[in-house]
Amino acid sequence: EAGVAQSPRYKIIEKRQSVAFWCNPISGHATLYWYQQILGQGPKLLIQFQNNGVVDDSQLPKDRFSAERLKGVDSTLKIQPAKLEDSAVYLCASSINTNTEAFFGQGTRLTVV
Amino acid sequence: KNQVEQSPQSLIILEGKNCTLQCNYTVSPFSNLRWYKQDTGRGPVSLTIMTFSENTKSNGRYTATLDADTKQSSLHITASQLSDSASYICVVSEASGTYKYIFGTGTRLKVLA
Repeated sequence: EAGVAQSPRYKIIEKRQSVAFWCNPISGHATLYWYQQILGQGPKLLIQFQNNGVVDDSQLPKDRFSAERLKGVDSTLKIQPAKLEDSAVYLCASSINTNTEAFFGQGTRLTVV
Repeated sequence: KNQVEQSPQSLIILEGKNCTLQCNYTVSPFSNLRWYKQDTGRGPVSLTIMTFSENTKSNGRYTATLDADTKQSSLHITASQLSDSASYICVVSEASGTYKYIFGTGTRLKVLA
C-alpha cells in the first residue's frame, strides 16, 4: 500500500518569498492533517481536513498560511510571505477517519534564509 | 490546558541495554495514547496505541504501559539496537469530537555501539 506522499522533500527560500507544499494522502483516507515541526519540538497541528472541509484550523497563521483540499484528495499548503521562523519540517498525515490512526508522510524541510 | 510532557529530553545508551521513556499527560477527555518513532528526516511511525482500558501493549522489543489513573505512560525498549536511535513521541488523542492529537516534544534516543 502506498503511503502519504509529499513534495518537495527540501526547499530553501528567502524571507518574504512564497512557497507551496503538496500532499497526496493514502487512497480512501478522508482525514488529512498538516503539521509544522520545528527542530527539537513535537509536531503542531496547522489544519485538519475531513474530505474537502476544514475541521480545525485554529493554529493556522491565516495572515500568511493557507491550505486547500479542493477535491477531497490532494492538498496544498502555502506560505506567503515566508518568515525566518517558518523554517521547519511540514508534515502531512492522513487517516481513514478522525478517530483512526494517522499515517505520516516524510515531510518537507523548509529553510527560510 | 491539554498537555503532554515527556522525559528525559534526550538519552544516550549503549547497544544491548534497556531503557524507559516517560510520558505524562493532562489531556481530557482521553481517547487513546500512541507512541511514535521518528527517524531523522522522516515522518513519525506508530509503534503502539492504547485505549483507556489497556495497561500494556507490546510491539517486538517495544513495550508501552498506561496508567490512566495517574495519566502516565512509559515506553520500554529492550536490548536496544543502533537502529533504535530516533526521537520517540508520545501522542494523546482528545476525545472531543474531532479526536485532536496532542503531541509531546519527544525524547531523542541515541544508541552507541
